[in-house]
Amino acid sequence: DAGITQSPRYKITETGRQVTLMCHQTWSHSYMFWYRQDLGHGLRLIYYSAAADITDKGEVPDGYVVSRSKTENFPLTLESATRSQTSVYFCASSESPYRTPGGGYTFGSGTRLTVV
Amino acid sequence: GQNIDQPTEMTATEGAIVQINCTYQTSGFNGLFWYQQHAGEAPTFLSYNVLDGLEEKGRFSSFLSRSKGYSYLLLKELQMKDSASYLCAFYILTGGGNKLTFGTGTQLKVEL
Repeated sequence: DAGITQSPRYKITETGRQVTLMCHQTWSHSYMFWYRQDLGHGLRLIYYSAAADITDKGEVPDGYVVSRSKTENFPLTLESATRSQTSVYFCASSESPYRTPGGGYTFGSGTRLTVV
Repeated sequence: GQNIDQPTEMTATEGAIVQINCTYQTSGFNGLFWYQQHAGEAPTFLSYNVLDGLEEKGRFSSFLSRSKGYSYLLLKELQMKDSASYLCAFYILTGGGNKLTFGTGTQLKVEL
């Protein structure tokens, strides 16, 4: 199906475990982003990527790792999960802003992660 | 620094008009987005303003004043399904990409 999909939808993990959240888009958008959403903070940027093999830190990158070996995939890994990483994680993609004003930012359905 | 503010909660009556304000401070600015987010769902795009003025799209309109760092979202003929969180975000085009900085959202409750 066309669009942007995230998996899993829900995840419960234990403190200290490694967990990977998946994001896949079928539009061949250049740009992909990971945000977390917490009460009182809104959406905060964790990492973003301008193209395959090009990634950069956002506002809250500590404790997270990303990779982008293929344009369509942008997994987010929590190397050693902590309770403070309990959150809802949203992946987003956009095409080049030089082609489309605002880049047509679109969000995936989100992953609700609970660290116990 | 960068900052973006919007009211936490608003309540309005079905059929009425409501205006949700957003103020921002940033050294770089390329545009402003409004998103709607229902509980447990992803944000969905409502509008994008890059120039000063009003953009109208059906029951929704968005206004931008870049000199004042101010935007508002106007919702007309409110319906119960409009109960949601409304997110304001400014957009910066950088060498590394295009990034959105979000406000904390305004929770709108539409009552009978």
